[in-house]
Amino acid sequence: DAGITQSPRHKVTETGTPVTLRCHQTENHRYMYWYRQDPGHGLRLIHYSYGVKDTDKGEVSDGYSVSRSKTEDFLLTLESATSSQTSVYFCAISGRNNEQFFGPGTRLTVL
Amino acid sequence: AQTVTQSQPEMSVQEAETVTLSCTYDTSENNYYLFWYKQPPSRQMILVIRQEAYKQQNATENRFSVNFQKAAKSFSLKISDSQLGDTAMYFCAFTAVSFKTIFGAGTRLFVKA
Repeated sequence: DAGITQSPRHKVTETGTPVTLRCHQTENHRYMYWYRQDPGHGLRLIHYSYGVKDTDKGEVSDGYSVSRSKTEDFLLTLESATSSQTSVYFCAISGRNNEQFFGPGTRLTVL
Repeated sequence: AQTVTQSQPEMSVQEAETVTLSCTYDTSENNYYLFWYKQPPSRQMILVIRQEAYKQQNATENRFSVNFQKAAKSFSLKISDSQLGDTAMYFCAFTAVSFKTIFGAGTRLFVKA
């Protein structure tokens, strides 16, 4: 357990509403990541952060933004949720040996 | 672009037998890391095993071992003495020096009693 929590764990929202997912880590790791998991696609990187206020895009960043104002928190925002963003979202940190440690995931449903 | 391919969407194995999950990848990098992650029905992602590309020796972790063929860009996972608790989704993953990880689509493994 790498001390990673995600909130909320489940969320149902309507198309067009903003949604923010939070990832919190207690390990003081520099690198943090947001992935989405969909059947047939594995995990795909949305955004990642390599330090406070330092973020970059992943392969599926359209429609998502992130912020990292503190080392321990990495926020993922869907500005205007769409049904295609229904997914399971995982936060992760990068360990000392480049492995990823994951949070428990957030299941988001956009109706 | 780097890619990771898992060609077996689903596999099954009898309890106590051995099973091998395949993974191939494509990269122009010379220094990188390969991983297998397990995702049981609980949805938690768990690291199974890790391999550094510069190491020729195949990694092993108890009942789990890999066959790393760098020239062929192949990284298969062998599970020996399969147990019911090994039933899960298994993901092969690749990380280069950019610290970004690319995952395969996964192989769903069923262990039958």
